[in-house]
Amino acid sequence: KQEVTQIPAALSVPEGENLVLNCSFTDSAIYNLQWFRQDPGKGLTSLLLIQSSQREQTSGRLNASLDKSSGRSTLYIAASQPGDSATYLCAVVYGNNRLAFGKGNQVVVIP
Amino acid sequence: DAGVIQSPRHEVTEMGQEVTLRCKPISGHDYLFWYRQTMMRGLELLIYFNNNVPIDDSGMPEDRFSAKMPNASFSTLKIQPSEPRDSAVYFCASSFVQGEQFFGPGTRLTVL
Repeated sequence: KQEVTQIPAALSVPEGENLVLNCSFTDSAIYNLQWFRQDPGKGLTSLLLIQSSQREQTSGRLNASLDKSSGRSTLYIAASQPGDSATYLCAVVYGNNRLAFGKGNQVVVIP
Repeated sequence: DAGVIQSPRHEVTEMGQEVTLRCKPISGHDYLFWYRQTMMRGLELLIYFNNNVPIDDSGMPEDRFSAKMPNASFSTLKIQPSEPRDSAVYFCASSFVQGEQFFGPGTRLTVL
């Protein structure tokens, strides 16, 4: 069974600092990895999708890397802003198109 | 496209009542997923469909839960009878092949 871990569960950073969020998964046989953002009481917004053959993916201030062999992905958010405060979820697609989620990193950016 | 649409957004019901949640996926997507989110367990996959056919329902907690997809643009998740421990946010998501999954806004279910 695929297990996805995100540590730490919660973190606070001052505005302007770069954010680094880590995700690890137990089974390296994945099709892709997706990072989501969830605001309190809201649904999930897809941020980045990395195919298993890719090493990284970038969108604006966001950059996600994937090291499939070691079962790790990292999401970098450059120059964090208070609007980046949210929970960030990592999910991997494996097996027959199943998606396994981590429990998320709850981020607070302090103005 | 309007994205994945779910209804109702909020549902409050009493224990023992039947609850039906509805989902309209993004047009053209061939996969549809139902998830449940709770504080204790996080996001869990309940069931998913490919081309309207259920592929994996191993996440459905028990026989009280059932899901259908009568056509490519509509799916339902039914709980009968509902229990307080079913209280959670239920999300529907869709994707094309094994691509990016897009989530609906969720249905917040409270069973009293």
